[in-house]
Amino acid sequence: SQQGEEDPQALSIQEGENATMNCSYKTSINNLQWYRQNSGRGLVHLILIRSNEREKHSGRLRVTLDTSKKSSSLLITASRAADTASYFCATAGNYQLIWGAGTKLIIKP
Amino acid sequence: EPEVTQTPSHQVTQMGQEVILRCVPISNHLYFYWYRQILGQKVEFLVSFYNNEISEKSEIFDDQFSVERPDGSNFTLKIRSTKLEDSAMYFCASSDWTSHTGELFFGEGSRLTVL
Repeated sequence: SQQGEEDPQALSIQEGENATMNCSYKTSINNLQWYRQNSGRGLVHLILIRSNEREKHSGRLRVTLDTSKKSSSLLITASRAADTASYFCATAGNYQLIWGAGTKLIIKP
Repeated sequence: EPEVTQTPSHQVTQMGQEVILRCVPISNHLYFYWYRQILGQKVEFLVSFYNNEISEKSEIFDDQFSVERPDGSNFTLKIRSTKLEDSAMYFCASSDWTSHTGELFFGEGSRLTVL
């Protein structure tokens, strides 16, 4: 079953601006992961945050996790045209990832 | 860098035909998965496979579907009698889970078109 829900469903911003996407989930998790999917391509793992972590950085990516609210956010700073893609959150329980519907991010030049 | 490879990249088939999608997971990975994504929709879990048997499957993975690891490298998804609604991208993924990171490595997908 799908438990992650991202919002917004779509986001269009100017190059250079920051993009924030949110993910909510329903059950307890071991970790939460974010993936990127370019149109028609496979999914690429971006970052993983464990249930006992609150914030994590990787390059221009910043992920937060609030287990009390069962939510996470992905921030992409200084966006670039190449960041145009769909972004999915996935929660990890017992060896199966449960996926959200994704946020489609468009970076306008 | 090791990667998951999938073949074919695109297959067109007639309704009712059998289809086999092939995947070569990363060699030292232990867990293998098939996911499906209908155009523009969510990624949907189909099945996970560990130690030569199915560990979990979704309600989508009915009797028309089967998976196999026929040798030490390939991992296949068979659809016995395809239906129009099976048209989708099928993604194979693998992970080692030994460090409990849970990161999945995905192939580029096989696009199945059922006519």
